[in-house]
Amino acid sequence: DIQMTQSPSSLSASVGDRVTITCQASQDISNYLNWYQQKPGKAPKLLIYDASNLETGVPSRFSGSGSGTDFTFTISSLQPEDIATYYCQQYDNLLLTFGPGTKVDIK
Amino acid sequence: EVQLVQSGAEVKKPGESLKISCKGSGYSFTSYWIGWVRQMPGKGLEWMGIIYPGDSDTRYSPSFQGQVTISADKSISTAYLQWSSLKASDTAMYYCAVVITTHAFDIWGQGTMVTVSS
Repeated sequence: DIQMTQSPSSLSASVGDRVTITCQASQDISNYLNWYQQKPGKAPKLLIYDASNLETGVPSRFSGSGSGTDFTFTISSLQPEDIATYYCQQYDNLLLTFGPGTKVDIK
Repeated sequence: EVQLVQSGAEVKKPGESLKISCKGSGYSFTSYWIGWVRQMPGKGLEWMGIIYPGDSDTRYSPSFQGQVTISADKSISTAYLQWSSLKASDTAMYYCAVVITTHAFDIWGQGTMVTVSS
């Protein structure tokens, strides 16, 4: 199976800060990488698909980049409503894997 | 509106069987893959498996192969996740989610909490 790692596992930042999360795949997954946001007690929500495409209705402060094995997720200006856990997820031939998650909170 | 509505919370004893459901509406149920995701208390998301309701083609995560069964009844636009013998370690929130417009889980159900305790 393809394994996913994420870093950091948690972070604390101030409102307005730029926040960056990285995700690494154990083998080349091209751009088959998605990012989700999960707020406490809620179902996950898709933010970014195919590494860099913003899902409809998602604020433009969220972005993604990367290909191959290394990917980055960025919040350009952290807002209080962005407090959540963020997960990357790869899809390779209908075998999917989630990363362990990054918990983001406000300093 | 595309929607997935899951069955309600369950409390079961170890060794019991269980089948939870996920009903799709607002889209062509037979044309898109539906997956199941486990989230144990305080833990991350784990992909369990995925089914194509049109022909019941099913793929499982190696971690869940043989532990659960995923199925679908296209006549009632409903996918299922079932266990034949529950364990305490099956206690978790279970989500269904569908792949529609992207190569990702676009739409999620509200989750079904399964508690297994003697």
